[in-house]
Amino acid sequence: NAGVTQTPKFRILKIGQSMTLQCTQDMNHNYMYWYRQDPGMGLKLIYYSVGAGITDKGEVPNGYNVSRSTTEDFPLRLELAAPSQTSVYFCASSYSSQGGYEQYFGPGTRLTVT
Amino acid sequence: QQQVKQSPQSLIVQKGGISIINCAYENTAFDYFPWYQQFPGKGPALLIAIRPDVSEKKEGRFTISFNKSAKQFSLHIMDSQPGDSATYFCAANDGTNAGKSTFGDGTTLTVKP
Repeated sequence: NAGVTQTPKFRILKIGQSMTLQCTQDMNHNYMYWYRQDPGMGLKLIYYSVGAGITDKGEVPNGYNVSRSTTEDFPLRLELAAPSQTSVYFCASSYSSQGGYEQYFGPGTRLTVT
Repeated sequence: QQQVKQSPQSLIVQKGGISIINCAYENTAFDYFPWYQQFPGKGPALLIAIRPDVSEKKEGRFTISFNKSAKQFSLHIMDSQPGDSATYFCAANDGTNAGKSTFGDGTTLTVKP
């Protein structure tokens, strides 16, 4: 199993540009998540999905959109990039283990908006 | 509202020492408490997890202690090694909220040789 994969690893965007961060998992997990992690800070949930066709907002959804057409894929779309979106983005998936949920993270995408 | 408070923010320990990271939670519905380890430039990875019906869980040099009445739990790293230098996140979830976890803000551990 490859686990959770993310592309690209790095990206530099100009203000106002758009891009899609790709995320794929091969563990057949129903739940998937997008987080952002600013330098020296914790993880903030952007969007999450409980299954194909179902998505919902996390705590910091503004400026982002997601879709979930398959169990495996959960892309994150940035429209009109702003410097405040400079961050490291992590995709994760989870399943229930021993009655609780454990998350599996991808390697991250480091995004700089200038 | 911060639902999981983690301390300290950073920690420096000598090789061979004990590293202790503490977390406190507010939501009594939480019933699963995983810890994640993140090395620079990598994504967080599950380290160890505990349920509140257990007061302690040990895996190698890593031990979680859980105090349900105080709503606190802690990670102890025995015989800390330079390779343990990483950021550690505690988390909590209740199994009913789309598997979402509430994370602490993280502790950056540096183990000096």
